[in-house]
Amino acid sequence: GAVVSQHPSRVICKSGTSVKIECRSLDFQATTMFWYRQFPKQSLMLMATSNEGSKATYEQGVEKDKFLINHASLTLSTLTVTSAHPEDSSFYICSARQGARLEQYFGPGTRLTVT
Amino acid sequence: AQSVTQPDIHITVSEGASLELRCNYSYGATPYLFWYVQSPGQGLQLLLKYFSGDTLVQGIKGFEAEFKRSQSSFNLRKPSVHWSDAAEYFCAVGAPRLEYGNKLVFGAGTILRVKS
Repeated sequence: GAVVSQHPSRVICKSGTSVKIECRSLDFQATTMFWYRQFPKQSLMLMATSNEGSKATYEQGVEKDKFLINHASLTLSTLTVTSAHPEDSSFYICSARQGARLEQYFGPGTRLTVT
Repeated sequence: AQSVTQPDIHITVSEGASLELRCNYSYGATPYLFWYVQSPGQGLQLLLKYFSGDTLVQGIKGFEAEFKRSQSSFNLRKPSVHWSDAAEYFCAVGAPRLEYGNKLVFGAGTILRVKS
């Protein structure tokens, strides 16, 4: 149980284009989903928290107009990187939490490369 | 502010040897504690968690961790390491209180290498 999927696993895009990453909870309803960014050999940096049906809460320093998050259902959240630039290249990981439980279940991550 | 410290960036152990990964936290509330493992290019897998009760918790893959409030620590242990345990391990703390945003705070991670 508690499986989270992400799609795509890898994406390469050109500078200036937008990329959408999907995060799905497969066998539970995720009232809250989180989006993280991870640089090589570093820990996870929380970008934003999204609750189903409401606007995402972004961490300080994260541009909400650049990283658009939509949590339209209890099983799906999307992260759209708009007008991507090479510095946006990174490993993006989502996680999901069920109800008030604090543990998070992580997706396998998406490697984004912007050329 | 909340923080998690994993003092060891890298640890190398021989296959079959015992393992202890250290985690210290600073948190202004009763903490909930987690250990996650990440294989290269993969997401994080929950190894174990501590919410309350018995301070020695058992997890998957033969791992255990002990919560010591007096030392603000939650060290991860395994009696006999297997080559497949080579990965990066993250300690995380959280508390379901609004002022902490119901978020987890992660340590920097410890990379475990297993030598045969």
